[in-house]
Amino acid sequence: DTAVSQTPKYLVTQMGNDKSIKCEQNLGHDTMYWYKQDSKKFLKIMFSYNNKELIINETVPNRFSPKSPDKAHLNLHINSLELGDSAVYFCASSHMWTGKDTEAFFGQGTRLTVV
Amino acid sequence: DAKTTQPTSMDCAEGRAANLPCNHSTISGNEYVYWYRQIHSQGPQYIIHGLKNNETNEMASLIITEDRKSSTLILPHATLRDTAVYYCIVKSAGTASKLTFGTGTRLQVTL
Repeated sequence: DTAVSQTPKYLVTQMGNDKSIKCEQNLGHDTMYWYKQDSKKFLKIMFSYNNKELIINETVPNRFSPKSPDKAHLNLHINSLELGDSAVYFCASSHMWTGKDTEAFFGQGTRLTVV
Repeated sequence: DAKTTQPTSMDCAEGRAANLPCNHSTISGNEYVYWYRQIHSQGPQYIIHGLKNNETNEMASLIITEDRKSSTLILPHATLRDTAVYYCIVKSAGTASKLTFGTGTRLQVTL
């Protein structure tokens, strides 16, 4: 069973479109994340949710809106897509800090190409 | 979170031990040292983490110096499948828990 799964794996779309990427984890974690990896391979956090509550919101354009319907899901919706949004987006999950830190598990990524 | 410094790239012969260094001279007392790796086009994969004691698991060993200003990840018998970018990350404890990735070390395992 896949621990953290993202769909779709590849997404090609035109500028100006709105698209969503879905993420689900079956690890029982209470915290989920979205990371972006650009063409230069830098991995940077975008958002983090703990128990459906937004706890990290890095400097990300308002066109990006995460939604967490429950602890096991964190979706990423992107409005008015721009060329610069082309990247690989990774979802991850972990337990929140509980006194002994724990590792994060990552999905396989969604390669978004905006044309 | 403290910054880390890693060599840009390293080579290792298959079957030999790969020793990947990391400097984190500004690490503070409650910060953990984490290692992740990213094999081409895949999501980052957790390897190991530690606070101050040396750690070992089925994948690797982590050696942290006594002053905690540097650490070494050891892959005891590198294989071609260990070719990847290895990230050393220092992460503070706290309610907002995020990983700050640097540029990592690109390890190339060769025959």
